[in-house]
Amino acid sequence: AQKITQTQPGMFVQEKEAVTLDCTYDTSDPSYGLFWYKQPSSGEMIFLIYQGSYDQQNATEGRYSLNFQKARKSANLVISASQLGDSAMYFCAMRGGSNYQLIWGAGTKLIIKP
Amino acid sequence: EAGVAQSPRYKIIEKRQSVAFWCNPISGHATLYWYQQILGQGPKLLIQFQNNGVVDDSQLPKDRFSAERLKGVDSTLKIQPAKLEDSAVYLCASSLTSGTGSLSYNEQFFGPGTRLTVL
Repeated sequence: AQKITQTQPGMFVQEKEAVTLDCTYDTSDPSYGLFWYKQPSSGEMIFLIYQGSYDQQNATEGRYSLNFQKARKSANLVISASQLGDSAMYFCAMRGGSNYQLIWGAGTKLIIKP
Repeated sequence: EAGVAQSPRYKIIEKRQSVAFWCNPISGHATLYWYQQILGQGPKLLIQFQNNGVVDDSQLPKDRFSAERLKGVDSTLKIQPAKLEDSAVYLCASSLTSGTGSLSYNEQFFGPGTRLTVL
């Protein structure tokens, strides 16, 4: 069965520091996609970054990068130069399976300290 | 471009009452999703529509939940009768298509959600 695991329920990080949010996944499919979403207190899910299983390079989007280690089945999100506005819940999700649906982790609550 | 719209934003009802949520996806998006997000958990897919047809409703509690997407645009999710454990945020999302495969980028765009409290 496919599964996403986020082991950090919460994190505190000092403003301007880099932060790494962990995500490990389990699948037997060779083809899959990995997503990271941000959910502020307002409730809306905001797409951040995507990595396909066959992508040779790690994905980057502005201050966000995805540290994709396929052999370890990990897809950690790295946020550089954190800002107060980065405080939110962060979810890792995987697309796969017969219906190509998203399977979600439990999330990590990130709090940026001034 | 307008985003995914949902209403109401908040709803408080007593158990055994009924409730309905409305979603208007981004114009042109063929695929619409309803998720249930219980506090402290990731979203759980309830139902997925492709145009006005159901792609997957395997996790929809069909004895009390129903959903429809008439004309392939707006969608309504209904709960009747509600239980205490239905308290959650109900998220609606849309995408251009359901994707041509597991590697499909096919980003889902989410609405603000409806926070339901069942007393």
